[in-house]
Amino acid sequence: QQPVQSPQAVILREGEDAVINCSSSKALYSVHWYRQKHGEAPVFLMILLKGGEQKGHEKISASFNEKKQQSSLYLTASQLSYSGTYFCGTEDYGGSQGNLIFGKGTKLSVKP
Amino acid sequence: NAGVTQTPKFRVLKTGQSMTLLCAQDMNHEYMYWYRQDPGMGLRLIHYSVGEGTTAKGEVPDGYNVSRLKKQNFLLGLESAAPSQTSVYFCASSYSPGTGGAGTGELFFGEGSRLTVL
Repeated sequence: QQPVQSPQAVILREGEDAVINCSSSKALYSVHWYRQKHGEAPVFLMILLKGGEQKGHEKISASFNEKKQQSSLYLTASQLSYSGTYFCGTEDYGGSQGNLIFGKGTKLSVKP
Repeated sequence: NAGVTQTPKFRVLKTGQSMTLLCAQDMNHEYMYWYRQDPGMGLRLIHYSVGEGTTAKGEVPDGYNVSRLKKQNFLLGLESAAPSQTSVYFCASSYSPGTGGAGTGELFFGEGSRLTVL
């Protein structure tokens, strides 16, 4: 079952902050985040694991709330280069290892 | 270092024709994936493999078959193409276990293959 991302789209001015959420109906042991620019392949941002391990990427960070089965991606002081579609991918305890399911994506547009 | 290579990049088929998409990776990754991407639908998992000789169904496996005879290659086949299979197909690979010894590691994606079925 696909995780649910919100919002579906967001428009920012350079320098503004944004939060993208990802929630699942299943108990998760990992959440992945990827960014895809138009016409290109998705690019890895970070993985969050059960137990709180967290990675950051430049001015992009994320959290993983295991109890709520949610993850949030935080983009601070956004830059034009942050524009693109962000996908979360989840692995749950009920599925087979390797079964990485993505949400429908959040389109982020950063304007000058 | 090529990473993940998909062939062909573009293909136009007629309904009922068959074809195979090839994915090759040179990173010695255990896991390989096939996703399809359609507007507004995100990336949907078709089939995946956690090692040579193994395959598993994902979210939308109907109408597709896969094979992983060699560790570096993952083939996606369409036996009888339908217009609903018009899509962009992405192959990806990852090491396992991932960071911390559990779960799937970072996915490395190919450039995508655009398939149109008329």
